[in-house]
Amino acid sequence: EPEVTQTPSHQVTQMGQEVILRCVPISNHLYFYWYRQILGQKVEFLVSFYNNEISEKSEIFDDQFSVERPDGSNFTLKIRSTKLEDSAMYFCASGRTSTDTQYFGPGTRLTVL
Amino acid sequence: DAKTTQPNSMESNEEEPVHLPCNHSTISGTDYIHWYRQLPSQGPEYVIHGLTSNVNNRMASLAIAEDRKSSTLILHRATLRDAAVYYCILRGTNAGGTSYGKLTFGQGTILTVHP
Repeated sequence: EPEVTQTPSHQVTQMGQEVILRCVPISNHLYFYWYRQILGQKVEFLVSFYNNEISEKSEIFDDQFSVERPDGSNFTLKIRSTKLEDSAMYFCASGRTSTDTQYFGPGTRLTVL
Repeated sequence: DAKTTQPNSMESNEEEPVHLPCNHSTISGTDYIHWYRQLPSQGPEYVIHGLTSNVNNRMASLAIAEDRKSSTLILHRATLRDAAVYYCILRGTNAGGTSYGKLTFGQGTILTVHP
């Protein structure tokens, strides 16, 4: 069964450094999402992406965040200058359409020191 | 997004049925009711969804009240693997019938399954 994959599984970085989290969505999906979950808290929507542009973003997704689909398979989330409060699990998800079930990856645990 | 209310936690014994309730009294006519679950240390996983009629799939059943102000996710025989946080999410549509893509998660219900 096709699945969403994410790399790395765990990323440790120093405050102020740039990080790129990578996702490979399911191959015939057209809608891509990033969510995050701070330890012990609920899953929060960050951004949705379709047709090579952002379709919706939350207040969390400020100028420090960007997303890109650099080729036909990868979908990346970049944080330009990490803060301590960016420490969280980051989940990528994809769906065939905007109404379709979303399939989530296993997540990347980001730790900012 | 319309709000849902779920109990913080529930417990069940293995191989017994589990009924997980969700209240959504402000649901609009075009809102679909979705259920996702999150197993420990994993990403959320789709379980089931419905609009008005009860729905069944290989994982669970969804019973929707006639007035749509509440719904119940039914796991017919709980297993240890079903221990997870279960999220009831309303997924709205705009006037054109297109879903707003994002999922808005609440705190969910922590289901504990005892052997």
